[in-house]
Amino acid sequence: AQSVAQPEDQVNVAEGNPLTVKCTYSVSGNPYLFWYVQYPNRGLQFLLKYITGDNLVKGSYGFEAEFNKSQTSFHLKKPSALVSDSALYFCAVRDGVDSSYKLIFGSGTRLLVRP
Amino acid sequence: DTGVSQDPRHKITKRGQNVTFRCDPISEHNRLYWYRQTLGQGPEFLTYFQNEAQLEKSRLLSDRFSAERPKGSFSTLEIQRTEQGDSAMYLCASSLGNEGEAFFGQGTRLTVV
Repeated sequence: AQSVAQPEDQVNVAEGNPLTVKCTYSVSGNPYLFWYVQYPNRGLQFLLKYITGDNLVKGSYGFEAEFNKSQTSFHLKKPSALVSDSALYFCAVRDGVDSSYKLIFGSGTRLLVRP
Repeated sequence: DTGVSQDPRHKITKRGQNVTFRCDPISEHNRLYWYRQTLGQGPEFLTYFQNEAQLEKSRLLSDRFSAERPKGSFSTLEIQRTEQGDSAMYLCASSLGNEGEAFFGQGTRLTVV
């Protein structure tokens, strides 16, 4: 069965510092991995995805994520955090071999960037 | 606006009433998904369509829930005999192709009183 773990409920960083939001996954086939961001009372906005190829993927708003197959991780990173990055972040996985297209989401990590 | 749109944004209903939500996907997207999100949790998959065919349903989708996508365009999600436990945000998403990411609407927040 597919699953996603986001071990941190909340991450606090100072503006200008680098940030990392952690994600580990479990799938039986090839992982398709995604990061989404959610602002209050809003839907989810797509940030980036890994399907195949380069392990470091770049996405919207300066975010990037590194796929690590041996550690089954897909951590979200940004070199310099902004206060406006404060939001709820979700990691999601889909089994690229499975015929299902459903996404399995983690429980989310709240990012707080202090001025 | 060419994104995914959902209507209504908010719905308050009395327990036992039926409710119906609508989702209009991005026009060229062939797949449409429904998810449910409760406070403090990640979205949970309910069902998805490829064109007009409903290909998968979660065990979360009890027989009080039904979804349709006539003609492979917009979709409706109906909940019959609502219960307080149905209170949640209902999210719709659409995608294109085998590797396309899902784009989400802003959701319909259901409150059952």
